[in-house]
Amino acid sequence: DAGVTQSPTHLIKTRGQQVTLRCSPKSGHDTVSWYQQALGQGPQFIFQYYEEEERQRGNFPDRFSGHQFPNYSSELNVNALLLGDSALYLCASSPGQGTIGELFFGEGSRLTVL
Amino acid sequence: AQSVTQLGSHVSVSEGALVLLRCNYSSSVPPYLFWYVQYPNQGLQLLLKYTSAATLVKGINGFEAEFKKSETSFHLTKPSAHMSDAAEYFCAVNAGGTSYGKLTFGQGTILTVHP
Repeated sequence: DAGVTQSPTHLIKTRGQQVTLRCSPKSGHDTVSWYQQALGQGPQFIFQYYEEEERQRGNFPDRFSGHQFPNYSSELNVNALLLGDSALYLCASSPGQGTIGELFFGEGSRLTVL
Repeated sequence: AQSVTQLGSHVSVSEGALVLLRCNYSSSVPPYLFWYVQYPNQGLQLLLKYTSAATLVKGINGFEAEFKKSETSFHLTKPSAHMSDAAEYFCAVNAGGTSYGKLTFGQGTILTVHP
């Protein structure tokens, strides 16, 4: 049973560019959350998708957007990249929006902005 | 709003010694509390969770944590450290209700285990 898979694992972009990160949830899970983990920090909640809609959002600007597809996979898009967007982006899935915090995390996509 | 404070960004113990990682929380509603572990170049893995049942929670790999409402604490312990316990540990809080899936994490504590 495959867990949460993310792609790409590493990528380098320059300021002002746009990036798309992808996530496939664990089999049987329909809810996907995205987190940003800056170096030396704990993960910070970006947003959560359920039934193809953004259900909750953290304190991130509109440059951060997402999408969930009918097969429950998800994308995170970041526009107009800033140096401060350099971080590990983690995708987490759960079996239903009502699951109390038991998230299954992928290994993340490490983004470096130069 | 919820917040988590982990006391000590680095903790070092000898193999076989007690592990104690400290976590204090702030929550305007009865919280759900979690400990996650992150090994190098890996995602986060759930160690244990408190969801208003027993205040002493047992998790994987011999870890346990005790919820103390009066102290707003949820410290993680393990009686005897193994070399394989070396990792970064995160305490997290969830407000429940419509906030399922939205965890607020602490800054993390890096655990080093010496032979």
